[in-house]
Amino acid sequence: QKEVEQDPGPLSVPEGAIVSLNCTYSNSAFQYFMWYRQYSRKGPELLMYTYSSGNKEDGRFTAQVDKSSKYISLFIRDSQPSDSATYLCAIEAHQRTALIFGKGTTLSVSS
Amino acid sequence: SQTIHQWPATLVQPVGSPLSLECTVEGTSNPNLYWYRQAAGRGLQLLFYSVGIGQISSEVPQNLSASRPQDRQFILSSKKLLLSDSGFYLCAWSLAPGQGAPEQYFGPGTRLTVT
Repeated sequence: QKEVEQDPGPLSVPEGAIVSLNCTYSNSAFQYFMWYRQYSRKGPELLMYTYSSGNKEDGRFTAQVDKSSKYISLFIRDSQPSDSATYLCAIEAHQRTALIFGKGTTLSVSS
Repeated sequence: SQTIHQWPATLVQPVGSPLSLECTVEGTSNPNLYWYRQAAGRGLQLLFYSVGIGQISSEVPQNLSASRPQDRQFILSSKKLLLSDSGFYLCAWSLAPGQGAPEQYFGPGTRLTVT
């Protein structure tokens, strides 16, 4: 079983829709969970990170961690065409030496 | 604030030629540094990470090498490029353990095409 799994999509939604992006992970010891946004031909940009379980909100973005299900989510409210990008989840690997990344979900928001 | 630079932005090299990609970080001291490769349609593959000057850990056996000659400088090299080395190379930094959360910050990347 892979340590982090993420549906690659693509996911296409109309402007204004609520978007749900998800990852599952296998190791219950993981504590830090991150979401990155990557525009085409650019480096990934950190959107949000959460520690342990619970929700974290930043503007139109909400990150949610369910440790009992080993499931993390990113919700985007009132999606905009500028949200069109690839979204990668990342989880802290043991001993803080690296992050484990999902393969990314490509999102397209049409106006 | 912290800034991470990578150069060159794009590179086209023939098979068998050498490679040198450079990454520098400003605004922080003693960061952890990372090199990733992102091939088309694939995820981020960690190649090397470094926790200090001269300390390099390799994640994937290959014909690439990394060096950290200064605290905030990280170099990716190859003596002879292969076609399979083509991809998008990303440098990243994070705070050292005990100094904060483990999130990583990425540079703009170098797009390498080996012909």
